[in-house]
Parts: sequence; C-alpha cells; structure tokens
Amino acid sequence: RKEVEQDPGPFNVPEGATVAFNCTYSNSASQSFFWYRQDCRKEPKLLMSVYSSGNEDGRFTAQLNRASQYISLLIRDSKLSDSATYLCVTGHTGGGNKLTFGTGTQLKVEL
Amino acid sequence: DAGITQSPRHKVTETGTPVTLRCHQTENHRYMYWYRQDPGHGLRLIHYSYGVKDTDKGEVSDGYSVSRSKTEDFLLTLESATSSQTSVYFCAISDPDRVGNQPQHFGDGTRLSIL
Repeated sequence: RKEVEQDPGPFNVPEGATVAFNCTYSNSASQSFFWYRQDCRKEPKLLMSVYSSGNEDGRFTAQLNRASQYISLLIRDSKLSDSATYLCVTGHTGGGNKLTFGTGTQLKVEL
Repeated sequence: DAGITQSPRHKVTETGTPVTLRCHQTENHRYMYWYRQDPGHGLRLIHYSYGVKDTDKGEVSDGYSVSRSKTEDFLLTLESATSSQTSVYFCAISDPDRVGNQPQHFGDGTRLSIL
C-alpha cells in the first residue's frame, strides 16, 4: 500500500464546474501537508499548504481531517488553465524535511 | 520562481557509461534533494543533502551516488548507467530552519534516456 493514495483520474469537467480531489495518507506521524500542481512534462509546483483548520486561496480550498487521515482539494469555477496533475504531499518527523508524494490526480477542464 | 538550475536538461547515453547530473541553486537553502519520477510511481527520493558534505540515502538510492562540496551545488552520479535508470530526474531545495516541514521547490528536471 502506498503511503499517500490518490485517485489517478482523469477527472474531465466543463469550464466553470466545481471539482474535488481526495487523498488519504497512512503515516499517522505526518505533520505537514501540501498540494502541488504539475503540468505535463514540467516540474511540480507548490499550489498550497494545508492547515488543520482548512484554508482557502482564491478558488482553491484545502481541508485536512487528521482523525481520518484524509486531505481534500476543492477547485471552484474551473478554468482551462487548471488542467494539470495535482499531487497530494505529506511531511513527517524523522529529519531531512522529507516529503512523500502521491502519484497525482489528473484534471482536464474542457470547454 | 526559486533559483534552481538543472543541467543537462536532456541526455541520451548508453548502458554502462557514467552519468553526472548537476543541480545549482542561488537561494542558499541548506537542504537539497534528488528525485526520480516514473509513471505509476510518482516522485521517489534518491538522495538528499542537509549541508555541505552531509548527505543521506532516500528510498531508491541503489546505483546512485551524490556529492555536495558547496552549498549551491548538488551532483547526482550514476556510476554505470542501466536502462532501469531511464527517468525524469528532479532536484529540489528547501529551507527547514523554521518549525515544521517546509515545502520543497523544484528545478525544471532532466530527462535521461539510457539505451
């Protein structure tokens, strides 16, 4: 079982739709959580950190449920430019500031 | 964007040859990382460094070595390349001198093909 699990998709949605991605993690020692975005043949880029109380950045909302070890990302009013792969990422104690990456969920926003 | 430069960007080589990939940063971050990314596996950590001459293994370190003689440079070496090391290699940096894990920032990647 992978430490960070994501539905690979693809999620095909029309422009303007709301879409939600979920992610589960198995390491209960995980302390930091992030969503990254990766465009085709490009490097991963930090989209947002995820805080225990939930947080929002424009059209993006991230939530964390530590009890269920579950992280979510909600995208409202999808744009064509949101088409990408979204990586769920956890960090935990143990030194090295190491992160564990999910394999990603692919989003395709269509006209 | 974080000041991270990877070189070369693309490389094709033959099995058994040595290969060195370079990561150069201008952010003065203490931590540097090498990952490989393959379909179905996502990003996997090869080696990382927490300071000059201080390195440690990641989850897929076999067949790879690293060196860090200066804060700004982190080299990844494949001593004798094999076809299974064909992949996209990413360098990342982070600044952990704050409480909690910090996000990592990635270079553009190196596409390595071993024939």
